[in-house]
Amino acid sequence: GENVEQHPSTLSVQEGDSAVIKCTYSDSASNYFPWYKQELGKRPQLIIDIRSNVGEKKDQRIAVTLNKTAKHFSLHITETQPEDSAVYFCAAIRGSARQLTFGSGTQLTVLP
Amino acid sequence: DAGVIQSPRHEVTEMGQEVTLRCKPISGHDYLFWYRQTMMRGLELLIYFNNNVPIDDSGMPEDRFSAKMPNASFSTLKIQPSEPRDSAVYFCASTTSGGALEQYFGPGTRLTVT
Repeated sequence: GENVEQHPSTLSVQEGDSAVIKCTYSDSASNYFPWYKQELGKRPQLIIDIRSNVGEKKDQRIAVTLNKTAKHFSLHITETQPEDSAVYFCAAIRGSARQLTFGSGTQLTVLP
Repeated sequence: DAGVIQSPRHEVTEMGQEVTLRCKPISGHDYLFWYRQTMMRGLELLIYFNNNVPIDDSGMPEDRFSAKMPNASFSTLKIQPSEPRDSAVYFCASTTSGGALEQYFGPGTRLTVT
């Protein structure tokens, strides 16, 4: 089955700096890669996703890049703000399946 | 739309008791997923349904766990008997078989087994 590894497990940045979280996946058939943000005590919520036919996608301060050859994808947050502090999860879906395999999560702390 | 609805939001029970968690997916969604979240194991998929039929239950930890989806708007996850190691947050999520793959999560049920 699919295996998704996520690094780092914790990340602290100064407000205004950039943050990068990286994930690798094992199944070359995976073709959809979402990123979820989970605030303390809340549900995971999708913040951005990318399909395997695209190399990069941006949405304001957030971007995701995908390298299919190396089987890794990354989340980039620029101009970080305190409200960006949360746990971020990457995930992958294999082929036509619908089940997500999640990474282990990254606790991002933005220091004011 | 009200989104995915879960009940109860919090459940505290004693070891050995039966626990039933409930989920109402977003109207029109034909996929429903049950996840468990713990600090040690992260987010784990327990089981998922498509058109009310269980497709993959390989994540169900053991026979004490069972899930049903009697109709398109309701699903249950039952633990009998419950054990302290079942303490976790249980999320239900739904999505559609259309082009979008985003899963929408419910607010979760925080289960504590003492």
